[in-house]
Amino acid sequence: QSALTQPPSASGSPGQSVTISCTGTSSDVGAYDYVSWYQQHPGKAPKILIYGVSKRPSGVPGRFSGSKSGNTASLAVSGLQAEDDADYYCSSYAGGNTMIFGGGTKLTVL
Amino acid sequence: QVQLQESGPGLVKPSQTLSLTCTVSGGSINSGTYYWSWIRQHPGKGLEWIGYIHYTRGTFYSPSLKSRIAISLDTSKNQFSLDVNSVTAADTAVYYCASLPDGTVMVDSWGQGILVTVSS
Repeated sequence: QSALTQPPSASGSPGQSVTISCTGTSSDVGAYDYVSWYQQHPGKAPKILIYGVSKRPSGVPGRFSGSKSGNTASLAVSGLQAEDDADYYCSSYAGGNTMIFGGGTKLTVL
Repeated sequence: QVQLQESGPGLVKPSQTLSLTCTVSGGSINSGTYYWSWIRQHPGKGLEWIGYIHYTRGTFYSPSLKSRIAISLDTSKNQFSLDVNSVTAADTAVYYCASLPDGTVMVDSWGQGILVTVSS
């Protein structure tokens, strides 16, 4: 099991949109609709943003959306705000009752 | 959502066993509603899934760690625990306990995390 591949960094200005990718294989991301996305601010525990590829838990702003195509999942953030400056991690079910995380993406709001 | 709190030593010597406990409130660990998980984060690095346990379905571990780890439940105290044996400096990390609602494979609640340093 190798970590899912995410770009190390992404950036955008307030009000703009940004998309973060998460690439796995046909054994994890491509095989199951169990992709989740988490936001982590420095020194804090991660927080769930998206689960089941595109579902938003209650309380998560509609500016966050998820999708998947083949072995790659994506998190889109529209209308960037200063508080979106954080690290973002994807995760996926990987079969055999295991799960795997991505390496993380540092999103900078310019 | 449940609330989770990790506890345990912040410093462990190399070759010894790292033992952590997670106290669960707001829900019962034997309800079968959740998988109870441990996840760690090496300093400045990404998240790493360690394993999880379900009250009826058993324990499931990361293939890369399964030879050195054990996760268990203590229903009398509503706690679950992690043991990592034969630790090295590479096991230095923030350890989070977490809950995954059955059927979702998503972490809906996290503990605050506990930094464990492996050093002599």
